[in-house]
Amino acid sequence: EPEVTQTPSHQVTQMGQEVILRCVPISNHLYFYWYRQILGQKVEFLVSFYNNEISEKSEIFDDQFSVERPDGSNFTLKIRSTKLEDSAMYFCATQPGQGVMNTEAFFGQGTRLTVV
Amino acid sequence: GESVGLHLPTLSVQEGDNSIINCAYSNSASDYFIWYKQESGKGPQFIIDIRSNMDKRQGQRVTVLLNKTVKHLSLQIAATQPGDSAVYFCAENTSGTYKYIFGTGTRLKVLA
Repeated sequence: EPEVTQTPSHQVTQMGQEVILRCVPISNHLYFYWYRQILGQKVEFLVSFYNNEISEKSEIFDDQFSVERPDGSNFTLKIRSTKLEDSAMYFCATQPGQGVMNTEAFFGQGTRLTVV
Repeated sequence: GESVGLHLPTLSVQEGDNSIINCAYSNSASDYFIWYKQESGKGPQFIIDIRSNMDKRQGQRVTVLLNKTVKHLSLQIAATQPGDSAVYFCAENTSGTYKYIFGTGTRLKVLA
């Protein structure tokens, strides 16, 4: 069964450092998302991406965050200068090309980011 | 200061009993709803979905009910099994937007 793959599974970084989280979407999926989940809390939307541009972003997704799909395969989330409060589980999700309406998103296993 | 995680409501059921997990969604314009299951350390896993033009949808051992009048969604799991133990989230989407809004989540514990 096709799945969304995320790397690394766990990333520890020092405050102020840049991190890049990587996601390999399901083949032929065209809509990509990043969500995060702070420990013990609900899943929060960060950003959606389609046709090489951001479709929508939340208030959490400030100037410290960026996304790109540099090689047509990996979908990345970059945090330029990490803060302690960025510590969370980051999930990549993808959807097929028939549109975001009325279809489920497929989630990866997540990357646990720990900022120390 | 100390950071405190959100206290998840917990539903404990005996193995073999039926479970009902409830969710109040936020946006009356939402027209698509999903239930996700999340096991410890894993990503959300799709269970079942429902569109706003429906009141009920059944899957294998699961049923989702939608009451748009009171913005309420429920997930019924028949003959609950130990493998059903997880946190369950409802999520809503509004046509024209590119995101899911997740609910708080309910922890389901299945007692042997």
